[in-house]
Amino acid sequence: DTGVSQDPRHKITKRGQNVTFRCDPISEHNRLYWYRQTLGQGPEFLTYFQNEAQLEKSRLLSDRFSAERPKGSFSTLEIQRTEQGDSAMYLCASTSMVTNEKLFFGSGTQLSVL
Amino acid sequence: GENVEQHPSTLSVQEGDSAVIKCTYSDSASNYFPWYKQELGKRPQLIIDIRSNVGEKKDQRIAVTLNKTAKHFSLHITETQPEDSAVYFCAAKTQGGSEKLVFGKGTKLTVNP
Repeated sequence: DTGVSQDPRHKITKRGQNVTFRCDPISEHNRLYWYRQTLGQGPEFLTYFQNEAQLEKSRLLSDRFSAERPKGSFSTLEIQRTEQGDSAMYLCASTSMVTNEKLFFGSGTQLSVL
Repeated sequence: GENVEQHPSTLSVQEGDSAVIKCTYSDSASNYFPWYKQELGKRPQLIIDIRSNVGEKKDQRIAVTLNKTAKHFSLHITETQPEDSAVYFCAAKTQGGSEKLVFGKGTKLTVNP
C-alpha cells in the first residue's frame, strides 16, 4: 500500500497520560499535515511541515501538543497530559508540488481519553 | 481567517436523482476549492477540486461550480447511486498565505435505492 499510513488506528488512554501517534506519508511527498476531526465536524488544521521544517501551527493548538518530522519522512504527534476534550480522530495528510496541493489523507488514529 | 459554511447538513435523495451541496467562503483571496468524500469509518478522499481561474469542472457524474463574486461553490452529483452515500466536505485554501485547508462541517448524503 503506497498511501498515507497512520499508527495506531485506535488509542484509549486515561486522562493525564501522554500519547504519541505516527504518520508515514506517501514516499515522494514533502508536505505533511496533521488535522483533527470530531464527530459531525470537518477536519480542523493542526500543523504543517515542508520536509523537516514545521512551517505552520494552528493558534488553537495547545502547548500540550507537539509534532516532529525529524528526517522529512515520517512524523509524530505527541499529546501530553491528555484531557477528555482531546478525544477525536487525528488525521495525517500529505502532498507535493507534483500533486498540486491535492491532500491524500491517512485513515487516522482514533483517540479516546477516559 | 477563512470561514467555510456548508449546506445542507443532511440530504436524502432517491437513486437516479441529482444532489447539490453548497458552500460559501469568507476570504476573497481563497483560490483552491476541493471536495472530499468520507465514508463511515474511512479516510476523506478527494473527489474533485477547482481553482479560482475556472468557473466549472466536471468529472463523469460529478461537477463543481464556482462563483467568485458571490464567494460560493457547489458540488453537483447526477444520477446518484447508493454507493454515493457518504459525508461530503467542501474546503477552501488561500494562496500565498496559510497552507491550511479550511473545511466545512460536512453534508451527509443518503441515496435511497
